[in-house]
Amino acid sequence: GAVVSQHPSWVICKSGTSVKIECRSLDFQATTMFWYRQFPKQSLMLMATSNEGSKATYEQGVEKDKFLINHASLTLSTLTVTSAHPEDSSFYICSARGLPGQGSYNEQFFGPGTRLTVL
Amino acid sequence: QQQVKQSPQSLIVQKGGISIINCAYENTAFDYFPWYQQFPGKGPALLIAIRPDVSEKKEGRFTISFNKSAKQFSLHIMDSQPGDSATYFCAASDNQAGTALIFGKGTTLSVSS
Repeated sequence: GAVVSQHPSWVICKSGTSVKIECRSLDFQATTMFWYRQFPKQSLMLMATSNEGSKATYEQGVEKDKFLINHASLTLSTLTVTSAHPEDSSFYICSARGLPGQGSYNEQFFGPGTRLTVL
Repeated sequence: QQQVKQSPQSLIVQKGGISIINCAYENTAFDYFPWYQQFPGKGPALLIAIRPDVSEKKEGRFTISFNKSAKQFSLHIMDSQPGDSATYFCAASDNQAGTALIFGKGTTLSVSS
């Protein structure tokens, strides 16, 4: 089946630093990747949609200058949290959708998530 | 974001009982309705999904019932087991347009032994 990985699985950083999270589709090519944020005991909230080779589309209320998304290839998208603050502490989850015509196109496959703690 | 409303927020079921979680959506363009199971500290895992051309789909102990006219769908877990204790999310998307999944708020299920 389609597998999505995330790295790192958890990260602790100091306030004001930047953190990069990688999302990879391991056995399929993904034209579109999505980034979600999940606070404790809450649902997944869509942050942005990332299409390979183009700028990400951010949801209302998500600061594009703070959450930098790069989708440089069909298997890799990165989320960089710039100048992180304690309120950015959350569980960040990516998902990927395969290419049209592939069996993986009609489904979003989720990564295992990255736990970010900002001190 | 288009809303997907999920209920109940929490559910306690005895072992062997039936767990039922309901969702309602607004956007008639939605054409893909999955259910996800999530354990603490883990990413969501696809449990079962349905498309609007069928009214019911069953996989093992899990069944989705879909009512297109009412814009509602539900998850039934038969013979609930303690290992089913987790948070369940319904979701919906417009796959034709390639939009992201929009999630319900989740239901925390506890199956008592």
